[in-house]
Order: sequence, then structure tokens, then C-alpha cells
Amino acid sequence: GENVEQHPSTLSVQEGDSAVIKCTYSDSASNYFPWYKQELGKGPQLIIDIRSNVGEKKDQRIAVTLNKTAKHFSLHITETQPEDSAVYFCAVGGGGADGLTFGKGTHLIIQP
Amino acid sequence: DGGITQSPKYLFRKEGQNVTLSCEQNLNHDAMYWYRQDPGQGLRLIYYSQIVNDFQKGDIAEGYSVSREKKESFPLTVTSAQKNPTAFYLCASKGLASTDTQYFGPGTRLTVL
Repeated sequence: GENVEQHPSTLSVQEGDSAVIKCTYSDSASNYFPWYKQELGKGPQLIIDIRSNVGEKKDQRIAVTLNKTAKHFSLHITETQPEDSAVYFCAVGGGGADGLTFGKGTHLIIQP
Repeated sequence: DGGITQSPKYLFRKEGQNVTLSCEQNLNHDAMYWYRQDPGQGLRLIYYSQIVNDFQKGDIAEGYSVSREKKESFPLTVTSAQKNPTAFYLCASKGLASTDTQYFGPGTRLTVL
């Protein structure tokens, strides 16, 4: 089955700096790569996703890049703000109705 | 107000008891999912269903059971056979198209006393 590795497990950055979280996956047939943000005690919320037909997608301060050859994708958050503090999960799917395979999460801490 | 609801938010169970977690969605989604989340771990898939009266095992189905009698509802039963049931349980749903997003409910925290 699919194996997803996510790094780092904890990331601390100064407010206003950029944060980058990276994930690798094993199944070359995977074609859907969402990122979720989870606040304490709540369900994950989708923040951005990318499909295998594009290499990069941007939404305001958030961007995701995908390298299908190397089987890795990354989340980039620029101009970080205190409300960006949360746990971020990458996930991988086949794009259909099967479930997603998740990374173990990155605890992002924004230092004031 | 559309979305996914899970109840209860907190649930306590004695060892040896079965317990059922509720998940309801009014998004008209065909597919529904149950995930388990442990501290420091990602979400792991327990069961999923793509259509009423049909469901498939995920990666960690042992000790759990589900039913899908209605499109809107996908309850999860944690049986006494589940050796370590204390966890945060998340329900999700999505449409069947490859472009559809998977949305999550607010979760149920189950604690075995």
C-alpha cells in the first residue's frame, strides 16, 4: 500500500518568515495531494490541494509544489501569522472515492 | 447549514463494552469514511463506503464495524475486540468524482476507562 513520510514533525518559525513542510510518497499511481490544517480538538480542514497534472498551485500565502518524478510534494506558507499555528497533514490519494493516506503531521509553531 | 456532524463529542466507555459513534452528513456525498487519530500520528483509515449498503475495510478495520443503511449516515461501532480503542475518531465524506474534496467532521474523542 501507499506510504507517506512527512518532515519535519515540529517546525518553529518567527512571525513573518516562511515555513516549508515536505512529504514523500511511494505509489507512483497516486494523483491527488491535499494538505489539511488541524487545530486542537477539531477535525482537519482542507487548505490546498494539487493534482498530478500540475506542478504548482498557489492560494494567497499558501502554495503547494509537486514533483511526480521524485514522488514528493511540499507546502509553502509565506508571511506566517500567529493564526497559522496548528498541525498540518499531507495526504495522498488516487483521486477517486478510496480513502486518503496521511503523513504523521507537522506541528507548526509561529513565534511572535 | 450544510456539513458533517459527529456525536457525541466526548465518549467514555468501560472495558468490554461496545459503543457506537454517529456520523451524519447533509452534503449529498456518496462516499463516507472513518479515520482514527492517535497522538503524534496521522489519520488511519478504518472503513469507508462508496454507496448505500456497501462498505470496505481500511488499514485498521479489526475490532470495528460499520453500516450504511442511509446515504446520510455512516455509524461506527467500536467493539470489545478492539484492544486499544482510546483515540480521536474522525468521519469524512466526499463525492465520487476524482476532483471532489474530502471534508471532515469535528470528531469524537473516545476514552476507555
